Parts: sequence; C-alpha cells; structure tokens
Amino acid sequence: QKEVEQNSGPLSVPEGAIASLNCTYSDRGSQSFFWYRQYSGKSPELIMSIYSNGDKEDGRFTAQLNKASQYVSLLIRDSQPSDSATYLCAVRNTGNQFYFGTGTSLTVIP
Amino acid sequence: GAVVSQHPSWVICKSGTSVKIECRSLDFQATTMFWYRQFPKQSLMLMATSNEGSKATYEQGVEKDKFLINHASLTLSTLTVTSAHPEDSSFYICSARVMDRVSEQYFGPGTRLTVT
Repeated sequence: QKEVEQNSGPLSVPEGAIASLNCTYSDRGSQSFFWYRQYSGKSPELIMSIYSNGDKEDGRFTAQLNKASQYVSLLIRDSQPSDSATYLCAVRNTGNQFYFGTGTSLTVIP
Repeated sequence: GAVVSQHPSWVICKSGTSVKIECRSLDFQATTMFWYRQFPKQSLMLMATSNEGSKATYEQGVEKDKFLINHASLTLSTLTVTSAHPEDSSFYICSARVMDRVSEQYFGPGTRLTVT
C-alpha cells in the first residue's frame, strides 16, 4: 500500500465551479498534511497545510482533514483557468518523513 | 520569505561527465534539505535527505556513489550526478525545511538535466 494515494484524474471542471481533490494516507499517526500545486515544468508550491481535524480556509481554498478516515481533501471554489495544474498531496508521517501522492491533474475549462 | 534557489536551472551534459547542482536557502537557515527527482508525468521521488554537517540519508534504490550530496552550510546543499547517463535525464528539485518550523518545506525551482 502506498503511503499517500490520490486519484490521478484528469479532473475537469467549468470555470466558476468547485473543484474537489481527494487524498488518503496509510500512516494513522500522521500529523501534518499539505497540498502543493505544480504547474507543468515548474516545481511545486505550497498552497495549504493542515494539522487538525476539520476545515481550514484560505481564500478560495479549503483543506479538509478527517484523521479517523485517514482522508484529506482540497476544495477550490470559483475555479479559474489559472488553477489548472497538478495538485500534490503530501503527508508527514510518524517517522517525520514526507511522502507525496502522484498528483491529480486539474483542468478548469473557460 | 522562505525562498529556495537552484543553480543551474537547466544543463545539458555528455554521457560520462559529472554535473553539480546547487540548492540555496536565501532568507532562512535550513538544517535539512531534500533532493527529489521527477520524470515526465510522474510524481516527485525523494532521493535523499541532506542534513547540515552530516552524511546524507539515501532512499532505497538510490546509489549514493552516483548521486553525491554535500550539505556544508545551513544555506547550501549540492547534488553531484557523477558519470551521468541518458537515463539520469530528469527534473531535479531540492527543498529546504525551515529550521524552526520542521513541518514546512519549500521547493526550489528545479534543475532540468539532459544527458546526451
């Protein structure tokens, strides 16, 4: 079983819609969770971090964490074409190691 | 804040030569830096963890004698790809962990290596 799993997509949403990206992880004791955005040919950039159960909102982005289900998600409201990218979920596990998912490709259609 | 730079941004080298890639934290001290490799349309693969003043820890399957890592200061880590082969052509990305905020790591812009 992979440490972090994501649906590779591609996910397509119309402009203005909500994009929902999902991620599951295997180490139940993990405490830190991150979402990165990676444009083609560029390195990842940190969008959100979340450490406790529930929702964390930052502008159009909302991260949701459910430790009981070992599930973390990212919602993007009012999606824009500039949001089109690959979104990487990352988890810092109990061994203090970072693991990345394979990424979900998002396309926002104008 | 938390800016990480890499140099060079791209490099083309001949098979059998060595290439050095630098990773610098510009506005913070990083006791730990990470080196990743990413092949086209694939996710990041952690190659090694570099701690300032000590030997790097390599992930399983990564040859430490081929990928030499040096972390001589709190702001600089280098990755040297020795005796490069075409299969080493990839996007190499470093990241640095902010010293007092171990949960956060920031990525450099990456170095695209092409071995001919």
